Amino acid sequence: DGGITQSPKYLFRKEGQNVTLSCEQNLNHDAMYWYRQDPGQGLRLIYYSQIVNDFQKGDIAEGYSVSREKKESFPLTVTSAQKNPTAFYLCASSETSGRNNEQFFGPGTRLTVL
Amino acid sequence: EDKVVQSPLSLVVHEGDTVTLNCSYEVTNFRSLLWYKQEKKAPTFLFMLTSSGIEKKSGRLSSILDKKELFSILNITATQTGDSAVYLCAVYTHNTNAGKSTFGDGTTLTVKP
Repeated sequence: DGGITQSPKYLFRKEGQNVTLSCEQNLNHDAMYWYRQDPGQGLRLIYYSQIVNDFQKGDIAEGYSVSREKKESFPLTVTSAQKNPTAFYLCASSETSGRNNEQFFGPGTRLTVL
Repeated sequence: EDKVVQSPLSLVVHEGDTVTLNCSYEVTNFRSLLWYKQEKKAPTFLFMLTSSGIEKKSGRLSSILDKKELFSILNITATQTGDSAVYLCAVYTHNTNAGKSTFGDGTTLTVKP
């Protein structure tokens, strides 16, 4: 079964703690993305990666960090520097061939910082 | 900065009505415009549009792109309660380094029985 998985589904953390969200895909996609979604809003791009060992900042990268050591995995760390981390986080992947720009999304992680 | 604007932000209709959702954009290095449906969690893909004037159709849903006026519309005919969702418009752009999607804020559609 090909797909993209995120874990955990729900995450609670105390203010000031770093937390890492997992994202794994077995679709053999080169590109992976992290988005943040707040209530009543669309998706805002945090970081994206087109290839292993390379990634770019999106529109709201401050307070977040990523790594791309393997093609299948693109973990996101929410650091204590992120001022308002409580949100719904979505990971996605896509081909980079240029013909198909459709993104496949994971089920999301809802992070609540107490 | 790339910008995607959707309207209306929310819409309430009754079953059987026809709705039109709008998406306008201002971006550099346009490659495609995509529509997604988000019900509870992960958005699911509806359409990808790259050429002006060519309608894409899937059942009661259809969409068209106007690259001169920089907008797209998503039509849903004979709406059903199962069409209730957030509809997201995204524009995919690509420069020399990488490709990325910029999303609008979505249109929340509520279909009442």
